[in-house]
Amino acid sequence: SAVISQKPSRDICQRGTSLTIQCQVDSQVTMMFWYRQQPGQSLTLIATANQGSEATYESGFVIDKFPISRPNLTFSTLTVSNMSPEDSSIYLCSVRGQGDTGELFFGEGSRLTVL
Amino acid sequence: GQNIDQPTEMTATEGAIVQINCTYQTSGFNGLFWYQQHAGEAPTFLSYNVLDGLEEKGRFSSFLSRSKGYSYLLLKELQMKDSASYLCAVQDSNYQLIWGAGTKLIIKP
Repeated sequence: SAVISQKPSRDICQRGTSLTIQCQVDSQVTMMFWYRQQPGQSLTLIATANQGSEATYESGFVIDKFPISRPNLTFSTLTVSNMSPEDSSIYLCSVRGQGDTGELFFGEGSRLTVL
Repeated sequence: GQNIDQPTEMTATEGAIVQINCTYQTSGFNGLFWYQQHAGEAPTFLSYNVLDGLEEKGRFSSFLSRSKGYSYLLLKELQMKDSASYLCAVQDSNYQLIWGAGTKLIIKP
């Protein structure tokens, strides 16, 4: 299993500002995944954060809007830039387990509300 | 395209049994996951199926038929704490996870 600490747990932000979410894992992992979960919806992968290289973004997500850092094997940040109310969502950090199934473990999530 | 279907919402009675279905169409198949997500919390892993058949884990069981593109999650002896959303996710040929929209399960006393 993996223990993931994510912060902030929630925040209320003003339109046009940016917020950085931090994710700390208790073990070294190659890839960290950033998801968005809009109210009442399922999970959408934003990007995969790889240590030592640029993050890989999914269709519909761009680096200018969601810059990601991955300075080492246990830590990553996701910034939501120039926020609008449409960015109000839960943002989740996750990693794969080391066992046979490779299931995902998630951080507690960061609930952002943009006014 | 890739698609996963599961019912939006289900209601069941405490102590009863409920079956949550998931059908999928994906580019390849490398396993199917079920996750539980309580309101306001992160998803937690419940089960993984990669071969056809039934996997039992306590009160929860998960079934897979790859030929039919079908899985179900069976919850027995329902408890109020089982009220949550249940997410089905399929791992495609590139080991990318395709997520269903989730089934909100409401347990009534």
